Amino acid sequence: EVQLVESGGGLVQSGGSLTLSCAASGFTFSSYWMQWVRQAPGKGLVWVARISTDESRTSHADSVKGRFTIARDNAKNTLYLQMNSLRAEDTAVYYCARGIVGVFDAFDIWGQGTMVTVSS
Amino acid sequence: EIVMTQSPATLSVSPGERATLSCRASQSVSSNLAWYQQKPGQAPRLLIYGASTRATGMPARFSGSGSGTEFTLTISSLQSEDFVVYYCQQYNKWPITFGQGTQLEIK
Repeated sequence: EVQLVESGGGLVQSGGSLTLSCAASGFTFSSYWMQWVRQAPGKGLVWVARISTDESRTSHADSVKGRFTIARDNAKNTLYLQMNSLRAEDTAVYYCARGIVGVFDAFDIWGQGTMVTVSS
Repeated sequence: EIVMTQSPATLSVSPGERATLSCRASQSVSSNLAWYQQKPGQAPRLLIYGASTRATGMPARFSGSGSGTEFTLTISSLQSEDFVVYYCQQYNKWPITFGQGTQLEIK
């Protein structure tokens, strides 16, 4: 079964750090661009970051640039999001998502999400 | 960045009828548009990409159309499980942006 499973969310104080992980299974992880998307409670979807298959290309939303870093380990079939200098407005469910082959930026597989709560 | 505007915010339709959801881009996104469905407490699910290509396993009652700045998601013969939230997303230009969502409710 094709699956993405996030972990690492939790409660953290403002200014703190957290690393999210996304374990992939059921497909050739190294062949797909991967993304992080977040959703604040009761709000819509916001794209956060993306990474190419070989990690050579990454992009981050302006709202997280310089604070968050996307990375991957193809040997471990795992995607990461290192989050530093967290703010209250970073509170959200964080989803990892797989980009469609050849399209990259439409997402055909999503994880169940992991909640990050930043307390001020 | 490209602003995606969905209308209406809430759409009331009776089961068995057709629903038409709209999505407008602040500038052309060509056909680089996707639609997602999100049920409460769940992750989004891809319905349509390339403006009109149904994702694998999606029922034929879901269809997409449009190009440039105007897009439509049509759900024919609404089923009970279809009354949830729908988002459009453009991936033509960075950064990727989503619409604010349309809540489909039972009339």
